[in-house]
Amino acid sequence: QVQLEQSGAEVTKPGSSVQVSCKTSGDTFNRYTISWVRQAPGQGLEWMGRIIPILGEPTYAQKFQGRVTITADKSTNTVYMELRRLRSDDTAVFYCARDQPPYAASFDFWGQGTLVTVSS
Amino acid sequence: QSALTQPASVSGSPGQSITISCSGISSDVGSYNFVSWYQQLPGKAPKLIIHEGIKRPSGVSHRFSGSYSGNTASLTISGLQAADEAAYYCCSKVGSGNKSGNIFGSGTEVTVL
Repeated sequence: QVQLEQSGAEVTKPGSSVQVSCKTSGDTFNRYTISWVRQAPGQGLEWMGRIIPILGEPTYAQKFQGRVTITADKSTNTVYMELRRLRSDDTAVFYCARDQPPYAASFDFWGQGTLVTVSS
Repeated sequence: QSALTQPASVSGSPGQSITISCSGISSDVGSYNFVSWYQQLPGKAPKLIIHEGIKRPSGVSHRFSGSYSGNTASLTISGLQAADEAAYYCCSKVGSGNKSGNIFGSGTEVTVL
């Protein structure tokens, strides 16, 4: 069974940064792209960006350009999402998800989600 | 690009069929291949229930079906059950190459009366 294991909940202050990790299997890391999706409390889903882990090539949603960085660590098969200059409205659950071939237009497996709370 | 448009809520009685629309999809030929649907139970991660517009992943009930017409994709749930109470989101890939991305719909809460 495909598993995406995310890091634990974070509480952080406005203006700071947060990094969320998503550990995958070697097969997933080497053969699939990984996306990040944000969900604010009581709100809908927002796609933030994706990465081709074996190449380390990210693509970002325009809304998050300049504030988000998605990276991948081959040694641990882990994908990371860093969001900077946090605001209170960044409080959300962040999910990593595996892009489904052939179009990478759907997400077939999801991490459990990581709650990031931004509060002074 | 703004979120795709879905009705905020849809309700039905057990056994009935309901349809959730998702408008704003590209009308380009083959764009339905880029449409997917997700079910999200409270406090849980979304679950893929339809991909490439009409295909069901293994293990997803046949009661869920996808369709597409013009700029609108639709999800139909037949034989509505209490377990179907959840939020449902459509999603479409937009753009091409390294400028491509994904856009979700605004989400629809399904209530079983």
